[in-house]
Amino acid sequence: EVQLLESGGGLVQPGGSLRLSCAASGFTFRDYAMCWVRQAPGKGLEWVSGISSSGGSTLYADSVKGRFTFSRDNSKNTLYLQMNSLRAEDTALYYCARERSGGWPLDYWGQGTLVTVSS
Amino acid sequence: QSALTQPASVSGSPGQSITISCTGTSSDVGRYKYVSWYQQHPGKAPKLMIYDVTNRPSGVSNRFSGSKSGNTASLTISGLQAEDEADYYCSSYTRSDTLVFGTGTRVTVL
Repeated sequence: EVQLLESGGGLVQPGGSLRLSCAASGFTFRDYAMCWVRQAPGKGLEWVSGISSSGGSTLYADSVKGRFTFSRDNSKNTLYLQMNSLRAEDTALYYCARERSGGWPLDYWGQGTLVTVSS
Repeated sequence: QSALTQPASVSGSPGQSITISCTGTSSDVGRYKYVSWYQQHPGKAPKLMIYDVTNRPSGVSNRFSGSKSGNTASLTISGLQAEDEADYYCSSYTRSDTLVFGTGTRVTVL
């Protein structure tokens, strides 16, 4: 059974940093591209970042470019999202998700970890 | 990258068919076959319902179907059921190799 389990969310002050993790199991992790999607309270979905199966290529939404860094450790089946210079508008539930095939269809999602940026 | 445009809400009676539109541009929906649709129930993670415009993942009911014409994609739910009441989001691959989601549609079963 495919499972994605996010962790690392919490309350952080504006300008602060946080690192999210996503532990994957139930599939050959190194074969799949992965991404982060966030959802602000009561709002819609927003794609944040994607990473290739090897980790050699990363992409970011303009809203987080230069502040967030997406990485993966294929030996540990784990994703990481380093978030710096956090802003109030980064407050959201952060999901990690697996890309099923080319073009970013996301076939498995975690349950999300909540990030709250507030003083 | 601006969000794709969806109607805020769509409603229908049990057994009816409804269609949700998703309008993008020639740089996303109109350019690629990579349009997906997701269903999200309150407090739950999104679930992939349609990918590559028309394909259903294993386990998704054949009451759900997708199509595309020009810059607009559509999701049709046939034989509407109470369990279909949820939020629905479209998404599309973009020229920047990124992903853009739609604004979301709340489906209400009357």
